[in-house]
Amino acid sequence: QITLKESGPMLVKPTQTLTLTCSFSGFSLNTGSVGVGWIRQPPGKALEWLASIHWNGAERYTPSLQSRLTITKDTSKNQVVLTMTNMDPVDTATYYCAHRHTSHTHRYFDFWGQGILVTVSS
Amino acid sequence: QTVVTQEPSLAVSPGGTVTLTCASSTGAVTSGNFPNWFQQKPGQAPRALIYNTGKKHSWTPARFSGSLLGDKAALTLSNVQPEDEAEYYCLLYFGAAQLVFGGGTRLTVL
Repeated sequence: QITLKESGPMLVKPTQTLTLTCSFSGFSLNTGSVGVGWIRQPPGKALEWLASIHWNGAERYTPSLQSRLTITKDTSKNQVVLTMTNMDPVDTATYYCAHRHTSHTHRYFDFWGQGILVTVSS
Repeated sequence: QTVVTQEPSLAVSPGGTVTLTCASSTGAVTSGNFPNWFQQKPGQAPRALIYNTGKKHSWTPARFSGSLLGDKAALTLSNVQPEDEAEYYCLLYFGAAQLVFGGGTRLTVL
């Protein structure tokens, strides 16, 4: 059974750096084709893919935020960490992590965490 | 900046059939965009329904189906149930590094 859970601060100040942790179970990031992605959703708005990291260490970022994002994995702890620098009130959103499968023939997100609402305010 | 467009809202009667579509600003959506579809109800995380255009996850009800319709990806709900009222998002893959969600379709079951 695959589960994921996001953790981190629920309130950050403008210009601060956000660090979110995705703790997961039921799969290993050492397994081929497996990855973890981060997706966010501002209140009342659409989903936005932010970043992914894959079993082989490959990192992918959405172009518009690439300069502010870093994604890392700790396979021994079954965790993926996302950092986002220079936070702004427009970054207020629910942040989700999700299990991802990527291969030449199949690409999908299947299992999602419950999400964590992060508010950016002074 | 690639934009993925969905109908903002649709309505359907219980027992009816409705098709939601997903278009790309770069041109026709193909199987190479590996279309995914998700359902999201208020206060909940998205739930995956369809991947690779038309493949279902093990938990996806049979009344949900995915396809390519013209130059778009499509999600068809048959025999719609009241519990299908939700926001639906498509996700398209562009090459190895870019993933773009659509703006979502709010489905109302009247």
